[in-house]
Amino acid sequence: DIQMTQSPSSLSASVGDRVTITCRASQSIRTYLNWYQHKPGKAPDLLIYAASSLQSGVPSRFSGSGSGTDFTLTISSLQPEDFATYYCQQSDSSPYTFGQGTKLEIK
Amino acid sequence: QVQLQESGPGLVKPSETLSLACTVSGGSISNYYWSWIRQPPGKGLEWIGYISYSGTSNCNPSLKSRVTISVDRTKNQFSLKLNSMTAADTAVYFCTRFARSYGSGSYYYYLDVWGKGTAVTVSS
Repeated sequence: DIQMTQSPSSLSASVGDRVTITCRASQSIRTYLNWYQHKPGKAPDLLIYAASSLQSGVPSRFSGSGSGTDFTLTISSLQPEDFATYYCQQSDSSPYTFGQGTKLEIK
Repeated sequence: QVQLQESGPGLVKPSETLSLACTVSGGSISNYYWSWIRQPPGKGLEWIGYISYSGTSNCNPSLKSRVTISVDRTKNQFSLKLNSMTAADTAVYFCTRFARSYGSGSYYYYLDVWGKGTAVTVSS
C-alpha cells in the first residue's frame, strides 16, 4: 500500500494567515492526489483533485501543488470557516489511502 | 444536485454482519463509481472500497475477505456488507461518489459527493 504522511499533524494559525500543509507519498503517485476538508459531525468536502485542480465552488484562497511524492495545500488567507481537519488522499493505486490528517486550529 | 443518504443499524453485535445502504437522489447511479469510507473514533479516514454502476468492485485488501459491495440500479442504491464485526470496526461510515475527470491524458478519480455518515458501534 502507498503510505501518505501529512505534516504537521496539527497547526495553530490566525485569521488572515497564509497556511501550508504538506503531504508526502511513500512512492510516486504522479499527480493523483486529492485534498479534503473535514469539520466535526459533517461530511468531508473535496477541495482539490489531480494535485492542483480546484473543485467547483471552492474558494480561490485554496490551492494545491506538487507531483511525484511531495504535495502541498495552501490557504492564502485563513477565514474563520477554514478551521477544520484536512486530509490528502492518493488515487494512483488501490487501496486509495489517506494521510492521517492535519488539524488546523485557531491561535 | 446529487445527494447521498446512508441507512442501516447503529449497533451491531460482535461477529455479526453490518449491512448499510446508500441511496442516491438527485441523479442516476449510472456512469459513476461509488465508494465507502469509514472513520473510527478519533482516527483518520479509511477507504473501504468502490463499485461501478455495472457491478465491478475493488476493496481494501485489509478488509477484502469480509467486505461485499453491491449496486442496485433499480433502486438507485449501493450497499456495503461487512461480516465478522469486531470493536475495531466501530466507526462512522460514509458513502461517497467516486467521480472522475479527464485531463492531461489521464483519468483522475476523487470523492466529490459524500453522505452525512452513519455511526456504527460494535458492542454486545
